[in-house]
Amino acid sequence: KQEVTQIPAALSVPEGENLVLNCSFTDSAIYNLQWFRQDPGKGLTSLLLIQSSQREQTSGRLNASLDKSSGRSTLYIAASQPGDSATYLCAVRPILTGGGNKLTFGTGTQLKVEL
Amino acid sequence: ETGVTQTPRHLVMGMTNKKSLKCEQHLGHNAMYWYKQSAKKPLELMFVYSLEERVENNSVPSRFSPECPNSSHLFLHLHTLQPEDSALYLCASSFTDSHTEAFFGQGTRLTVV
Repeated sequence: KQEVTQIPAALSVPEGENLVLNCSFTDSAIYNLQWFRQDPGKGLTSLLLIQSSQREQTSGRLNASLDKSSGRSTLYIAASQPGDSATYLCAVRPILTGGGNKLTFGTGTQLKVEL
Repeated sequence: ETGVTQTPRHLVMGMTNKKSLKCEQHLGHNAMYWYKQSAKKPLELMFVYSLEERVENNSVPSRFSPECPNSSHLFLHLHTLQPEDSALYLCASSFTDSHTEAFFGQGTRLTVV
């Protein structure tokens, strides 16, 4: 059974720092990996989608990498801002789950960027 | 606006009530999903509808009953819930293609009293 782990569970950094969030998964048979952002009490906002054949994806100050063989992904946030404060979730789409886009999620990293 | 709209945003219901959660997507997707998010636990997939047919039911109790009348709308009918069912219920949609991303709604915060 696929399991997704995110470390650290919580992180507090001063504004302007570059930071890395980690995600690991136990089964490398995945179609893709998706990073989401969730604000308190809100839904999920998709940040980046990395296909299994890709090594990284970039969007603005965000860069996500994928090492499928080792079961790891990182989300790099450059020049962090207080508005980046949120919970960041990693999810993988296992190959063996048939039709549809069924995702297995980690428990998230709660990020706080302080002034 | 994510293109996936859920109503209501908040719901408080008694254990003997019957209520429904609604989800609507405006993205032209052909698959829709219900997830449950409880405190300190990963999101759990509840139901999957692909091309309007239910293709997965992850051992969800029968007090949760999904309905997908068309590719744009998804409901979750609730009856005789338990306090442990209190959670954030998230709807998502996507194309059935394996390489596309999923989009989520804002969720319904359900409290069972």
